[in-house]
Amino acid sequence: AQKVTQAQTEISVVEKEDVTLDCVYETRDTTYYLFWYKQPPSGELVFLIRRNSFDEQNEISGRYSWNFQKSTSSFNFTITASQVVDSAVYFCALSGVLFGNEKLTFGTGTRLTIIP
Amino acid sequence: NAGVTQTPKFQVLKTGQSMTLQCAQDMNHEYMSWYRQDPGMGLRLIHYSVGAGITDQGEVPNGYNVSRSTTEDFPLRLLSAAPSQTSVYFCASSALDRVTYEQYFGPGTRLTVT
Repeated sequence: AQKVTQAQTEISVVEKEDVTLDCVYETRDTTYYLFWYKQPPSGELVFLIRRNSFDEQNEISGRYSWNFQKSTSSFNFTITASQVVDSAVYFCALSGVLFGNEKLTFGTGTRLTIIP
Repeated sequence: NAGVTQTPKFQVLKTGQSMTLQCAQDMNHEYMSWYRQDPGMGLRLIHYSVGAGITDQGEVPNGYNVSRSTTEDFPLRLLSAAPSQTSVYFCASSALDRVTYEQYFGPGTRLTVT
């Protein structure tokens, strides 16, 4: 069975601070995908990143960066110099790779509030 | 290219009523799925389909039916609505393509059962 744990239910930081959202996962698959989605107050789900389990390189996209560590089963997300527009609920998710195993298992989400 | 569309956006039902949530995608994706989102529980998979004529149950299928007669459409039917089905429902689709694999989500349907 797959499981995703986002232990931080809510985080509040002052604008321009850096913030890291934690994600820990469990799976018996040897290959899998990891995702981060953003859900702003408007309610839609916005895709941020997909990471294949073969690729442990960290990734940076503007103010966003992701740290994938297979040894600790973690896929953490850092926002640098946070902005009010970053306020949202962030979900980490996991899926299989094989055909027919595309089901996404989501964590319970972390609500991030950026205080101006 | 509209992506994934869902109708209605909002719906209020009385206990025992039935209804169908519509989902359509215009990306020719093989894989489609339905999730429900409840406070503090993230998104949970209800049903999914890997192609026309093929459906299977997810984590929380009870009280819901699906069918997939075309590649484009994947409706979710509530047979006899219950207050426990009050939730936000998301439909998603993706190509079964390991190179560009990404699940695209619709805007959601907020359902209240009284």
